[in-house]
Amino acid sequence: KNEVEQSPQNLTAQEGEFITINCSYSVGISALHWLQQHPGGGIVSLFMLSSGKKKHGRLIATINIQEKHSSLHITASHPRDSAVYICAATTGNQFYFGTGTSLTVIP
Amino acid sequence: DAGVIQSPRHEVTEMGQEVTLRCKPISGHNSLFWYRQTMMRGLELLIYFNNNVPIDDSGMPEDRFSAKMPNASFSTLKIQPSEPRDSAVYFCASSRLDGNQPQHFGDGTRLSIL
Repeated sequence: KNEVEQSPQNLTAQEGEFITINCSYSVGISALHWLQQHPGGGIVSLFMLSSGKKKHGRLIATINIQEKHSSLHITASHPRDSAVYICAATTGNQFYFGTGTSLTVIP
Repeated sequence: DAGVIQSPRHEVTEMGQEVTLRCKPISGHNSLFWYRQTMMRGLELLIYFNNNVPIDDSGMPEDRFSAKMPNASFSTLKIQPSEPRDSAVYFCASSRLDGNQPQHFGDGTRLSIL
């Protein structure tokens, strides 16, 4: 069993749609990271959160510590949002990665 | 500001050869991470350093892998001898503190072992 589970694995959306990617984890964490990996391969850290909610532009990340669940939301999706989104949970010394959600936004 | 700089971007070599991957973290960052990404296993943490000291190397797959950080501005990941199953993209990332600060990733080194 993976310590971090993401869903869905693949997601196709029309431009403008509201998108949600989910992440569940089974370990006690000190922080949870959302990463974005573009088709070219580069990885960008989007959010690091340990409670509540964070917002950056059209991206919103939430976490529920009691339920061990985090969500990444994209409002008004755009083709340039097409990427793989990876959830990573850290206990401080250990990192556990989800397998990623591949998002394709169609114009 | 310069981001995390990795070199080379691509490396193709024959099995049995020594491979050295290099990373220059962002100035002022005192944590450095080495990751490996493959289609089969996804993203995996290999090792990380705090203040140039290796903290956790439990992700290093075998003794063929070694990592050093001789100073705050440079780290190497070495594979000797290399094997075809080591083919992957290797990322280096740095942050101000381990675990609880956003990490900044380099562009990765795409390694192919023939």
